[in-house]
Amino acid sequence: SQQGEEDPQALSIQEGENATMNCSYKTSINNLQWYRQNSGRGLVHLILIRSNEREKHSGRLRVTLDTSKKSSSLLITASRAADTASYFCATGVSGTYKYIFGTGTRLKVLA
Amino acid sequence: DTEVTQTPKHLVMGMTNKKSLKCEQHMGHRAMYWYKQKAKKPPELMFVYSYEKLSINESVPSRFSPECPNSSLLNLHLHALQPEDSALYLCASNPPGGSTDTQYFGPGTRLTVL
Repeated sequence: SQQGEEDPQALSIQEGENATMNCSYKTSINNLQWYRQNSGRGLVHLILIRSNEREKHSGRLRVTLDTSKKSSSLLITASRAADTASYFCATGVSGTYKYIFGTGTRLKVLA
Repeated sequence: DTEVTQTPKHLVMGMTNKKSLKCEQHMGHRAMYWYKQKAKKPPELMFVYSYEKLSINESVPSRFSPECPNSSLLNLHLHALQPEDSALYLCASNPPGGSTDTQYFGPGTRLTVL
């Protein structure tokens, strides 16, 4: 399967704590993107990191990319109950129109 | 306008029905996608259109028939579906240039096949 792997599959933390989720992939990529999905609704784009970038920040989000290990991590700092959702990574496969999604991490932030 | 719209939001159909899902974007994107998503699973790619031509078909059964009438509109025609086709169907688009840019998703159509 070309599908990327994410870990952990599920994560439960207290409000105010940091949440870290990891993504591994198999192909050569243009970029890696992280999405949030609330309860079976559409995917909301969070952040894109290009293959020549190593780290990127957006508000409370920090993303790292290690192309030698084919892996990425998403850190959400000072989490809030509203961050409760599923988080997916998606890689843009080089030379194609294809995006491959990771298996997802279900995050629960307890108030 | 960074919005992808999908209609209907919910659809219930019998196995002998014919129905269509509609997706629209006005961002000037020339690549449009259909994904299928089952509960607690990631989206699975079904079809990709680039410049109104079908460029990727991920071996999807012929009971799903995509159509791209113009650069803003993408349809998915459904016929003789099975109960296992019940899922969330997501449309997405991104600027030209392959998978080099942000992909924008619509809210999805929740399909139930009885």
